Amino acid sequence: SQQGEEDPQALSIQEGENATMNCSYKTSINNLQWYRQNSGRGLVHLILIRSNEREKHSGRLRVTLDTSKKSSSLLITASRAADTASYFCATVPYSSASKIIFGSGTRLSIRP
Amino acid sequence: NAGVTQTPKFRVLKTGQSMTLLCAQDMNHEYMYWYRQDPGMGLRLIHYSVGEGTTAKGEVPDGYNVSRLKKQNFLLGLESAAPSQTSVYFCASIPGGRGSTGANVLTFGAGSRLTVL
Repeated sequence: SQQGEEDPQALSIQEGENATMNCSYKTSINNLQWYRQNSGRGLVHLILIRSNEREKHSGRLRVTLDTSKKSSSLLITASRAADTASYFCATVPYSSASKIIFGSGTRLSIRP
Repeated sequence: NAGVTQTPKFRVLKTGQSMTLLCAQDMNHEYMYWYRQDPGMGLRLIHYSVGEGTTAKGEVPDGYNVSRLKKQNFLLGLESAAPSQTSVYFCASIPGGRGSTGANVLTFGAGSRLTVL
């Protein structure tokens, strides 16, 4: 089974609203990464948070990490139509830092 | 700088045929990965490599073989294709290795869409 599971599977919000996606994982991690995938394209890296960090910001993105609950959240503030995409978390296990495993993803739709 | 290049982009196979997907990266990355993505799902790791001449199994390795004879290339082979292998295949790489100063985040290719009839 996949290391990361995202919630919700799909999210539809109005432009300008904030979007929150959650990721849960099973084993201890070295770091957790979020990626974005536009329809039919490859994935693009958004942000990385290390296991000793609790929160990280990048532009309109805010990522939190709770290692005690083995969960992370990605917040996109002031959403735009161009944010419509699928978002995936990827975990880098502490035991095998080269084996990068993805979650099932959240499909985000921004309504104009 | 092309990044990660996958060939072919599209391929249709009949059940039982064999084929090889080629991934090439020009960033001198140590680690390379092959993932598959099925409709509405995330990426599942097939095989990966942490250096030239080394490969390791991922989450779903059965039915696939890989080779990393050159650092810049990572080949994914299907010896006897099955309809269950119809998918979009993504190759990715990270700097990896000792002394790597780059953030170990994945750079992806554009994907190879494979249909097995």
